[in-house]
Amino acid sequence: DIQMTQSPSSLSASVGDRVTITCRAGHYISNYLNWYQQQPGRAPKLLIYAASSLQSGVPSRFSGSGSGTDFTLTISGLQPEDFATYYCQQSYIPPLTFGGGTKVEIK
Amino acid sequence: EVQLVESGGGLVQPGGSLRLSCAASGFTFSTYWMSWVRQAPGKGLEWVANIKQDGSEKKYVDSVKGRFTISRDNAKNSLFLQMNSLRADDTAVYYCAKVDHLWTGQNWFNPWGQGTLVTVSS
Repeated sequence: DIQMTQSPSSLSASVGDRVTITCRAGHYISNYLNWYQQQPGRAPKLLIYAASSLQSGVPSRFSGSGSGTDFTLTISGLQPEDFATYYCQQSYIPPLTFGGGTKVEIK
Repeated sequence: EVQLVESGGGLVQPGGSLRLSCAASGFTFSTYWMSWVRQAPGKGLEWVANIKQDGSEKKYVDSVKGRFTISRDNAKNSLFLQMNSLRADDTAVYYCAKVDHLWTGQNWFNPWGQGTLVTVSS
């Protein structure tokens, strides 16, 4: 199985901050990497697919980059509604696996 | 609007069975792979199973192989998860999700249903 490691597991930030979350795959996965946002009590929501493609309707302050084994999700200008948990997920080889999540909290 | 609505969750004793359903609308259900993903209380996300458009291909995470069966009824736009020999560590919110993909093979879960809670306890 491909292990996905996210860092940090949590962070505190202020509205307007630039936030970067990293995801490392334990095996080469090309750009088969997706990012999801989950707000408390809600279902996950797709933000970024294929490492860097912004899902329709998602604000442009979200961006993704990377290929191979190292990936990044960046939020440029954190907004109040962005305080949530973020997960990366690889779709290169089954079983499809998720990172452990990064909780973004208000400083 | 694409909509996925799960049902069938509840409290079940260890060793028992439960069948989850997911009603799909707003898209051509028969042309998409579909998935189940679960989340234990306070924990992260875990993919459970996938099924091909015509049901001819099914994939499972190792921890549920031989106990869970994914299926679909394209005539009724419905996805199912039959769960047998349930264990305490199967306790989770179960989400169904539509699988979108690029022609190059990349795929992702979008959207997700609201989830249904399965609790395995005596």
